[in-house]
Amino acid sequence: EVQVLESGGGLVQPGESLRLSCAASGFTFSSYAMTWVRQAPGKGLEWVSSISGNGVSTYYADSVKGRFAISRDTSKSTLYLQMNNLRGEDTAVYYCALRLGGNGWFPIDYWGQGTLVTVSS
Amino acid sequence: EVVMTQSPATLSVSPGERATLSCRASQSVSSDLAWYQQKPGQAPRLLIYGASTRATGIPARFSGNGSGTEFTLTISSLQSEDFAVYYCQQYNNWPPLTFGGGTKVEIK
Repeated sequence: EVQVLESGGGLVQPGESLRLSCAASGFTFSSYAMTWVRQAPGKGLEWVSSISGNGVSTYYADSVKGRFAISRDTSKSTLYLQMNNLRGEDTAVYYCALRLGGNGWFPIDYWGQGTLVTVSS
Repeated sequence: EVVMTQSPATLSVSPGERATLSCRASQSVSSDLAWYQQKPGQAPRLLIYGASTRATGIPARFSGNGSGTEFTLTISSLQSEDFAVYYCQQYNNWPPLTFGGGTKVEIK
């Protein structure tokens, strides 16, 4: 059974850092690009970052470029999102997601349940 | 950046009626358009990809149409479980991957 389970969310103050993890199982982790999508409370979906299966290629939304870093550890089948210099506008549920059902990175057809990050003083 | 605009923001429909949701792209995205359904407290679920192909397990009452810049999602006969928020997303020209602002389908 395919599972992606996010963890690492919580309450932090502006300017602090947090690292999210997404533990994957049930599929060959290194064969799939992975993506983080976030959703601020009561708002729509926002793409954050994506990474290739081999970890070589990474992409970021302008809103997080230079502050967030996506990475993956194939030996642990885990995706990460290192978030530095956090701002109030980063408050959101962060979803780990991927395309399992076909070629290419998109569209996303599998989502985790999300982890909430709250940035507030 | 391709801007995705959904209309209306809210659609009030009675169970059993037809619902038509619209999505417009600021430039052509060919048929690289997906629709997602999201219920409160849940992750999004893929309904349609390639503008018109239903994802695995999606009922036939959901249909997608369009190409280029104009797209529609039609729910032919609304069931109680279909009341939710629907998002379109383009994956033709990325980064960034972009979503529409969503259409909430509510019970009339």
